[in-house]
This record gives sequence, structure tokens and C-alpha cells, in this order.
Amino acid sequence: NAGVTQTPKFQVLKTGQSMTLQCAQDMNHEYMSWYRQDPGMGLRLIHYSVGAGITDQGEVPNGYNVSRSTTEDFPLRLLSAAPSQTSVYFCASSSLGSPEGQPQHFGDGTRLSIL
Amino acid sequence: AQTVTQSQPEMSVQEAETVTLSCTYDTSESDYYLFWYKQPPSRQMILVIRQEAYKQQNATENRFSVNFQKAAKSFSLKISDSQLGDAAMYFCAYRSARGLGSGGSNYKLTFGKGTLLTVNP
Repeated sequence: NAGVTQTPKFQVLKTGQSMTLQCAQDMNHEYMSWYRQDPGMGLRLIHYSVGAGITDQGEVPNGYNVSRSTTEDFPLRLLSAAPSQTSVYFCASSSLGSPEGQPQHFGDGTRLSIL
Repeated sequence: AQTVTQSQPEMSVQEAETVTLSCTYDTSESDYYLFWYKQPPSRQMILVIRQEAYKQQNATENRFSVNFQKAAKSFSLKISDSQLGDAAMYFCAYRSARGLGSGGSNYKLTFGKGTLLTVNP
């Protein structure tokens, strides 16, 4: 099993450009989420999904879009990149079924720099 | 809203010794889950240990154990016989146990800001 796969691992963008961070999981997890990690801030939730066709906002959703057309994929779109979006982005997934309280599995992260 | 506080931005320990990382949290819920994640320089987020709030027994995983004090809302991580490979950023995280019926937001993890652990040879 590959687990949670994120691409690309690194990306440099210019202000105003758009791009999509890809996330795929092969564990048939219903729940998928995107976090950003900034120095001294821990990880903060951007968007999440509890199944295909269902998405919702987390703590810091501004400037990002998501969609969930399949169980496996949960791409994160930056509409018009800004320097404030320079960060490390993590995708995570977990089952919603039993047993309860299953931990989230994380991808290896994408380091994104906006110039 | 829940909050998680890690009051030690950095800690260091000598190889083979024991270190304890602190975590406190604030919640009005009675049932929840707590996690410790390890992030080595490779940037991966690795689950170290997990605790269910309804269980009084402290979780253990080999050299890693927790001291869960529900009334004090404290969840510290003890690393015994520290090894060089334990050097990493450690994050404490909280998740509600309310389940999907109360909304998908209950599945989010709320993280502390992390503690950077250095292991000295």
C-alpha cells in the first residue's frame, strides 16, 4: 500500500499563479483533509471532506479550493498564489468507521514557496 | 473551540536518558482522543501514540508512554532510553469523539505548536 501520496514534493510559484496540489490515498478512507504547517504555528486545517462530493472549510480556507470527485483523490487548488501561502502542505486521511478514533495518515508534504 | 498548548518549544536529552514532553488542552467535551505525532527532519508525520479519553489506563508503545490526567487536561509524553533517532519535532493533537453524526468537523485534528527534541550523544 502506498498510503497517502502527495505531489509535487516541492514547488516554487510566482505571485498570482495558480496551481493544484495533488493528494491520493489507496486505503478507501472516507475522510480526507488538508493542513498547512508554518513555523511556530503547528498544523492548521484548510479544508476537509467526509466523502465524494462533500467538502467543507477548516480554520484557514481563504485562497484555497478543494473538490472530491472520487474517494481516492482530494486536490487542493491555489487560485492566485500569494507570498502568505508559502508553507508546507500536508494531506491526511482516515476511516470514519469502527473502531472509532482511528488516527489520520499523513502524506509526506509539499513544500511550496511563493515569490 | 478546543485548544492545545505545548509549553516547551525546545527540549534536549542525553542518549539513553528519559525525557517528558508536556501538553495541555482545553475542551468542554467529555469524550475525545489525544495523539502524539513525531516529525523528523524528513518532514513525515508519524503517529507515536494514541489515548482515548474514556480509558483511565495510560497508553504505552515500547519506549513511549503517556501520563494522561483528564481532570487536569494534561497529556504528557515520556520517552525512555532516548535514542538518536528520537530527535524530531513532536506534536500533541486533539480530536473530538462526537463522530460523523455531529458533523465532519469533529474529525479534524487540533495541533499544538510543537516541541523540538534534541538528543545528545
